[in-house]
Amino acid sequence: GNSVTQMEGPVTLSEEAFLTINCTYTATGYPSLFWYVQYPGEGLQLLLKATKADDKGSNKGFEATYRKETTSFHLEKGSVQVSDSAVYFCALRNAGNMLTFGGGTRLMVKP
Amino acid sequence: EAGVAQSPRYKIIEKRQSVAFWCNPISGHATLYWYQQILGQGPKLLIQFQNNGVVDDSQLPKDRFSAERLKGVDSTLKIQPAKLEDSAVYLCASRVTGGANEKLFFGSGTQLSVL
Repeated sequence: GNSVTQMEGPVTLSEEAFLTINCTYTATGYPSLFWYVQYPGEGLQLLLKATKADDKGSNKGFEATYRKETTSFHLEKGSVQVSDSAVYFCALRNAGNMLTFGGGTRLMVKP
Repeated sequence: EAGVAQSPRYKIIEKRQSVAFWCNPISGHATLYWYQQILGQGPKLLIQFQNNGVVDDSQLPKDRFSAERLKGVDSTLKIQPAKLEDSAVYLCASRVTGGANEKLFFGSGTQLSVL
């Protein structure tokens, strides 16, 4: 079956530090990959996506590259801000159009 | 544009009681999902509707959970009777259709505590 594994948090960084949140997946076929973000008190929001191998999704300074050879979709940002503090979920969508989420990684950015 | 609305925001009940959650998707969104998010875990799909029909309910514990979307708009999710392990945030999400490239919009969720 499909599964998504992401690094456990919380990840605590100082403002302007470099961020990496690891995500690996197991899936049959060629899934689409996503990062969702959940800010405190808000619903899940799509952050970025990639639909095929070697695609790079990007949004709000965040990037992730679909690596089929390593089955990974790591989230990166060069300089985090306090406002980036949230829970980040990696997810995949298979041909059946069902989303499978990872367990989430809490990011805390300190000023 | 109004987002996906859910109510109540919080609910506390005792085990073996019943509870219902309500979701109003974004206007015009034919596809609606209910997810269960247990603390520290990612959301798990419970059921998917396309208009008023069920597309997938394979992960819905049907002995105690039920959901309906009678007019293809609002939806309710019910738990009867509740167990301690049902404590979670219940998320509703919607999209225009089931299309693979369409964005999914989530509500803020209903946080259920079963004591």
